[in-house]
Amino acid sequence: DTAVSQTPKYLVTQMGNDKSIKCEQNLGHDTMYWYKQDSKKFLKIMFSYNNKELIINETVPNRFSPKSPDKAHLNLHINSLELGDSAVYFCASSQEGNYFSPLHFGNGTRLTVT
Amino acid sequence: KQEVTQIPAALSVPEGENLVLNCSFTDSAIYNLQWFRQDPGKGLTSLLLIQSSQREQTSGRLNASLDKSSGRSTLYIAASQPGDSATYLCAVSSQRDDKIIFGKGTRLHILP
Repeated sequence: DTAVSQTPKYLVTQMGNDKSIKCEQNLGHDTMYWYKQDSKKFLKIMFSYNNKELIINETVPNRFSPKSPDKAHLNLHINSLELGDSAVYFCASSQEGNYFSPLHFGNGTRLTVT
Repeated sequence: KQEVTQIPAALSVPEGENLVLNCSFTDSAIYNLQWFRQDPGKGLTSLLLIQSSQREQTSGRLNASLDKSSGRSTLYIAASQPGDSATYLCAVSSQRDDKIIFGKGTRLHILP
């Protein structure tokens, strides 16, 4: 009965490939996020969507494109993968944007680019 | 620009001891502060959320305080257990740019 689920859990791919990570939340939240956790365990926001609309788009390469078919899903598509894209990517959701409700995170997707 | 710092970066304490984890932030214009727990290879679990108007929140053996004016929060863990071993992260919700900014975490190891 997972609240925020991400697939796949592990993703190993070669440079230059295109890949997608899927995220779904069954909490009825309005806002979803993608975070990147680097090798030093530092979490940094990439994107934030509220009711299918983009509200935060950090300075990530335009090879990264979020897609939100509905407010329960926020998928992350990555084109032309590079070695530096290797990291753990976390999806999260919350109600009412940042302000008053806790963030709920998925278990992460460990992406390894070889 | 909001920055969040957590000290110490790592901490080892014997089982049963009480301990305090620290979090500081540079900009007091926040909506709330949240403490998370991260277990190896897993996602983040929300522990406590303190609104900017609140001073503290409690959940079981955990107590989090917030002093917004000084830009500080502490997470107090009472009677520590080996199962408390994890990385603890704090995050602030910034009013200025509507972002949630994380610290780098404190790796806690409870010695049995």
